Amino acid sequence: QVQLVESGGGLVKPGGSLRLSCTASGFTFSDYYMTWIRQAPGKGLEWVSYITSGSAYTNYADSVKGRFTISRDNGEKSLYLRMNNLRDEDTATYYCARVTGDYDSGYFDLWGRGTLVTVSS
Amino acid sequence: SYEVTQPPSVSVSPGQTASITCSGDKLGNKFVSWYHQKPGQSPVLVIYQDEKRPSGIPERFSGSNSGNTATLTISGTHAMDEGDYFCQGWDSSIAVLGGGTRLTVL
Repeated sequence: QVQLVESGGGLVKPGGSLRLSCTASGFTFSDYYMTWIRQAPGKGLEWVSYITSGSAYTNYADSVKGRFTISRDNGEKSLYLRMNNLRDEDTATYYCARVTGDYDSGYFDLWGRGTLVTVSS
Repeated sequence: SYEVTQPPSVSVSPGQTASITCSGDKLGNKFVSWYHQKPGQSPVLVIYQDEKRPSGIPERFSGSNSGNTATLTISGTHAMDEGDYFCQGWDSSIAVLGGGTRLTVL
C-alpha cells in the first residue's frame, strides 16, 4: 500500500551523528519532492528540509543548516537525512513526508509514522 | 524570517462550528495547507491550497484565506475532530508551520 516508513532513530550523544532513512512504497517515488519535518516532545511541528524529485535542489531550516544533509536514492525509493554535530535541541520525532506540488504551493499529503531521535549524554 | 501565528487552543461543543485561524503578513498571497494530528499519531492533511479537501476528508472541513488570515472551519464538529491543527505555507522556498491549535470538543 501507499506508505512511508522511517528508520534509524535512536539515542546519540551531543556532537554525535545519525542517519535517518525513509522507504517509500505504493507510489512513484521519483515523481515527488520529499521533506523531513520534526516534532520535539510535547511541541509543534518544525520543518527541517526538502529535496526536489531529481535531487537538483535542497533547502534547510536555519536551525539545521550546515549540520544536516538531505539526500535520496530514487532507485531504492529511499530518502535520507544525515545529521551531524547533534544538539540536545535536535531531540524529536522525525517524520518524512511526500510533497505534492513545489516549493511555493506544495503540501504534505503522505506522512510516515516517524522515528525518535534522542540527543543526550 | 516569516512566521505564522495560531491561537493555542479552541473549544467547541459537539455539533457546533469551530474556526481556527492562522495569521501572517500578506498570508492571503500564499497557499495554505492544514494538518490534523491526534495524540500519538502522525499528522494528516485536511485542507490544501487554501480550500481544497483531499479525498477521504469529510465535507465538514473547509478553508479560506484572505488578507493576513487563513481560516480552517469545521462545521458540525464531532468528538473525533479533537486534536492539534497546524497551518502551513511557504516563504522564499522555506516551509513555514504554525505553532498549532489544540481543538477541544467539550
